[in-house]
Amino acid sequence: EAQVTQNPRYLITVTGKKLTVTCSQNMNHEYMSWYRQDPGLGLRQIYYSMNVEVTDKGDVPEGYKVSRKEKRNFPLILESPSPNQTSLYFCASSFWQNTGELFFGEGSRLTVL
Amino acid sequence: DQQVKQNSPSLSVQEGRISILNCDYTNSMFDYFLWYKKYPAEGPTFLISISSIKDKNEDGRFTVFLNKSAKHLSLHIVPSQPGDSAVYFCAASNPGGGADGLTFGKGTHLIIQP
Repeated sequence: EAQVTQNPRYLITVTGKKLTVTCSQNMNHEYMSWYRQDPGLGLRQIYYSMNVEVTDKGDVPEGYKVSRKEKRNFPLILESPSPNQTSLYFCASSFWQNTGELFFGEGSRLTVL
Repeated sequence: DQQVKQNSPSLSVQEGRISILNCDYTNSMFDYFLWYKKYPAEGPTFLISISSIKDKNEDGRFTVFLNKSAKHLSLHIVPSQPGDSAVYFCAASNPGGGADGLTFGKGTHLIIQP
């Protein structure tokens, strides 16, 4: 089954404790991206990657890091989480030629206390 | 500056009637538009898209209309069904710079009443 898998789905952590949200896709997509969804703000892009070892900032990259060492994986790293990073996070992927039609994961709800 | 605007946070429609969701954009460089549907506790799923070279695209009960001069698009659902109750996101991209991904609106919560 074609899918984008995120882990963990739910996490409560404390300020400053490093965490990683993993994302994996099995569709051989070149393009992967991270979004966060906040009430009243819709979906905002954090980082994206056009292919292995190619990453770039989206609209709200502050406080986040990403890596793309393998085509299928695109982890989101919060080196020192803060309460304003409490949000619902979505990983998405697509073929490079069609970056509009994204396949989204089920989301990871992160709470930073 | 919000480049994609969905001015109705919610919309309630009776089952069987037409649902019309609206979206406005400000960036004239956008030339590809999409609608995504999102159920609670799930990720958004792609619904329908339209290129700027068209003014209408139809897929079953779903039709998207684009008015480039007004920078406005709308999604029509006919007839509306209970399973259509979800949040709908309008999104836009510039395929020339498609690496930047999509710019999403804030979403409209559609509620289909029996």
